[in-house]
Amino acid sequence: NAGVTQTPKFQVLKTGQSMTLQCAQDMNHNSMYWYRQDPGMGLRLIYYSASEGTTDKGEVPNGYNVSRLNKREFSLRLESAAPSQTSVYFCASSYGYTGTGIQPQHFGDGTRLSIL
Amino acid sequence: RKEVEQDPGPFNVPEGATVAFNCTYSNSASQSFFWYRQDCRKEPKLLMSVYSSGNEDGRFTAQLNRASQYISLLIRDSKLSDSATYLCVVTSGGSNYKLTFGKGTLLTVNP
Repeated sequence: NAGVTQTPKFQVLKTGQSMTLQCAQDMNHNSMYWYRQDPGMGLRLIYYSASEGTTDKGEVPNGYNVSRLNKREFSLRLESAAPSQTSVYFCASSYGYTGTGIQPQHFGDGTRLSIL
Repeated sequence: RKEVEQDPGPFNVPEGATVAFNCTYSNSASQSFFWYRQDCRKEPKLLMSVYSSGNEDGRFTAQLNRASQYISLLIRDSKLSDSATYLCVVTSGGSNYKLTFGKGTLLTVNP
C-alpha cells in the first residue's frame, strides 16, 4: 500500500544548483499535484496535472518546471535553486473531477528541501 | 476576502471536551469540501468529506452552510490523539481540479 511516494525525503542544495523531485502514485489516479508548505503560509499549489499529458500552473509556479512522465509519475524540477525555495514540498494525487465533484487528494510524506 | 479562512487557534482543550472549528470560503460556486488533519512535520491526511446534508464519522461531524458559505467540524469526546492541525479545504474558483487549503487550526488536547 505505497500510495504516493516522494523522493528524496531530504535534500540540501547550494544556490544555483538544480534538482528534480520525484513523485509516483500507484492508485491509478488521473490527477497529480505539487505543493509547497511554508510556516504561516499554508499549502500553496505550484503546478498540477489534471490528466496524463497535461500540466497547468498553480498559485506559485515561478522557478519551477514539471513533467508528467506517465500516469503514475509527476516530477518537479528546480532549474536554479534560490534560498526562497527552501520549503517542504508535497506531491498529491486524486481521481480528479468525477460526476460527483472533485475528489479528495492523497499526499506523499514530503520532501524537505533546504537551499543555502 | 481570502478564498478560505480559518481561525488559526491554538485551541487547547481537555480530554473528553467537545470542540468546533469553523471555516469560511469566498467562492459561492465551490462544489467540494473536505477536512484534512496534519500532524506536526507530516503530510496532510483526509479526515472527511463534507456533504450538503451534513455527515458524521464516529466522533466527527461536518456541516456545510452554502447560504453563509461556511463549513464546520465538530469533534466530540476529544482524545489526545486528536491533537493536530485541521485544514479546511474547498474547490478553487475557476477549476474542477484544484483545491484551496486553509492555513489550518491547531488543536491541542490536554490530559
